[in-house]
Amino acid sequence: GNSVTQMEGPVTLSEEAFLTINCTYTATGYPSLFWYVQYPGEGLQLLLKATKADDKGSNKGFEATYRKETTSFHLEKGSVQVSDSAVYFCALRTGETGNQFYFGTGTSLTVIP
Amino acid sequence: KAGVTQTPRYLIKTRGQQVTLSCSPISGHRSVSWYQQTPGQGLQFLFEYFSETQRNKGNFPGRFSGRQFSNSRSEMNVSTLELGDSALYLCASSVTGLTEAFFGQGTRLTVV
Repeated sequence: GNSVTQMEGPVTLSEEAFLTINCTYTATGYPSLFWYVQYPGEGLQLLLKATKADDKGSNKGFEATYRKETTSFHLEKGSVQVSDSAVYFCALRTGETGNQFYFGTGTSLTVIP
Repeated sequence: KAGVTQTPRYLIKTRGQQVTLSCSPISGHRSVSWYQQTPGQGLQFLFEYFSETQRNKGNFPGRFSGRQFSNSRSEMNVSTLELGDSALYLCASSVTGLTEAFFGQGTRLTVV
C-alpha cells in the first residue's frame, strides 16, 4: 500500500539554524512526492515537489531530493527564519491506486529569534 | 490568478443536522478533491471529482457525499452530523488530478 512516515515533532530551532525534516515513503508504482506547509488557521500551501527519482525540488530556500533507493524525500533548509514556523507535511501521489494524496502526520516547526 | 475558494470559512451545526460546503477551484482545473483534517486522524481523503464524475472515493460512510458542476465547482454534503465530524475540510484543485494540487483555506466545521 501507500504510506508516508514523517519525523515526529515538534521541532524547535533558533533562527538561522539548519533544518532537516525526515520523510520516508512506501508506494505502489512511481509516485510524485510533495512537501506542503500549513500556517495556523490556513489550508495547505505547496512548498515543493519532485516527480521522478533524483529530482530535486526547491522553493524559498527549502530543498528535497527524491531518493528512490532509500525511499526518502527529506526536507532541508540551510538557515531558518521565524516566519518558517508552521506545520510541514510530506505527501505522495500515484496514479496506480487512484489520485489521492497520502500525507504524513505533519511536523510542527517553531523558530525562535 | 485566483486561488481555490472555499465557503463558508466557519460553520457551527447541531448533531443530526446536515451541512453543505462549497469549493471553487482554480480556473481551468478540472479535478477537485476533498480532505478531512483532524488532530487525531490527520489528513484523510474523502473523494475526488473530475469533469463532474466521482473518480475516486475514500473510506468514509455514505453520509458524506459530493458533486461537481459543469463549471468545476464542487460541493460536499454531510448528513446526520455527528460530533466526530468536527474537522477542517479542505478542498484541493488540480489540472488533471495527477500532479500538484492547490488547497483552499478550508471550512472549519464544528458539530455541537
